[in-house]
Amino acid sequence: EAGVAQSPRYKIIEKRQSVAFWCNPISGHATLYWYQQILGQGPKLLIQFQNNGVVDDSQLPKDRFSAERLKGVDSTLKIQPAKLEDSAVYLCASSLDTSATNEQFFGPGTRLTVL
Amino acid sequence: AQKVTQAQTEISVVEKEDVTLDCVYETRDTTYYLFWYKQPPSGELVFLIRRNSFDEQNEISGRYSWNFQKSTSSFNFTITASQVVDSAVYFCALTRRSDKLIFGTGTRLQVFP
Repeated sequence: EAGVAQSPRYKIIEKRQSVAFWCNPISGHATLYWYQQILGQGPKLLIQFQNNGVVDDSQLPKDRFSAERLKGVDSTLKIQPAKLEDSAVYLCASSLDTSATNEQFFGPGTRLTVL
Repeated sequence: AQKVTQAQTEISVVEKEDVTLDCVYETRDTTYYLFWYKQPPSGELVFLIRRNSFDEQNEISGRYSWNFQKSTSSFNFTITASQVVDSAVYFCALTRRSDKLIFGTGTRLQVFP
């Protein structure tokens, strides 16, 4: 079974530029999560989708971050414009559904550096 | 509010030593779930264990064991006879049913040969 795929693995941009990350969850997983992991900290949820609907985006900085999962499968996370403090690893995860008993499977992450 | 505290920022041991990683959590919920994840240098988070709040039985899986104590709100993780491949950052996490994972700040374990 293929795992969660993310691309790119690394991205370096200058502040005020835009960037987009892509995630393809495990086949059949209805729930998709985007986490931000700043160096030295644990991952923090940015947004959670159930199929193509948003379940929780309370910690998403909506003035600059946006995410979509139009067909309920893969997802993109965009930052526009980027700030220095956005430098982090962006992790995508998926699970069968929103039940807490379902394990979340994580992708390898995209490491973003904002200069 | 929910919170997870991993007070140990970094632990260094020599191979074959036993090591315990501490995790203390806060929640007002009676039903909740606790997790441990391993994050090797490659960056991917690897699931290790899930425990629900009604199951306080300790669990052993090979060299890994977990001690869940509701009385002290702790969910500690012990690696017996550590190996170099155990070197990673370990995260403890907490969630309510159908809710997001709340992670601790992680403990970096370095196992030296």
